[in-house]
Amino acid sequence: DSGVTQTPKHLITATGQRVTLRCSPRSGDLSVYWYQQSLDQGLQFLIQYYNGEERAKGNILERFSAQQFPDLHSELNLSSLELGDSALYFCASSAVLRADTGELFFGEGSRLTVL
Amino acid sequence: AQSVTQLDSHVSVSEGTPVLLRCNYSSSYSPSLFWYVQHPNKGLQLLLKYTSAATLVKGINGFEAEFKKSETSFHLTKPSAHMSDAAEYFCVVSESSNYQLIWGAGTKLIIKP
Repeated sequence: DSGVTQTPKHLITATGQRVTLRCSPRSGDLSVYWYQQSLDQGLQFLIQYYNGEERAKGNILERFSAQQFPDLHSELNLSSLELGDSALYFCASSAVLRADTGELFFGEGSRLTVL
Repeated sequence: AQSVTQLDSHVSVSEGTPVLLRCNYSSSYSPSLFWYVQHPNKGLQLLLKYTSAATLVKGINGFEAEFKKSETSFHLTKPSAHMSDAAEYFCVVSESSNYQLIWGAGTKLIIKP
């Protein structure tokens, strides 16, 4: 158990809808990362928050947004969903600011299916 | 820009035989390199990390990787495969501009009894 909790584990929705994925980081970790894993692909970095502030953005669509709350949990909002948004969305947390210096601890992911 | 290529999408070995998962990277500086493992229906877990100290890095569960700058490779090895090693393995390189991680497409390791 990594200590990172993601909900929901599975989500099925229709095109055009909006969903919210939630992540609770390991106790004490200030960094939260969101990644998208599509079928047979590696992870694509979406966005990083550190202690409530956005620190880095990757290939995140404008239809997607995220935030980190004062209690350090984070939410990823996906709107105007398209079929191509179907993927496994991972949250990871770390105790340090830089992704390359610390260990990332991953949740088990939220599997989104858009029909 | 940095990139990482995992040369095999699937590797199949018999239990008790050596494992070799190949990874090549491209970087204009000395990057940090990682191997992560993803067991079925689980999150990812760090196996090992190279950050310019020793070129031979030992990780968990008997895995190790060797950084070879001249070959721009960071192959993952294990002397003797176990059934519990069946998983997907990701080679990862750090991005110089924002320190984020760039992930390979993954290699699925299959262990035959």
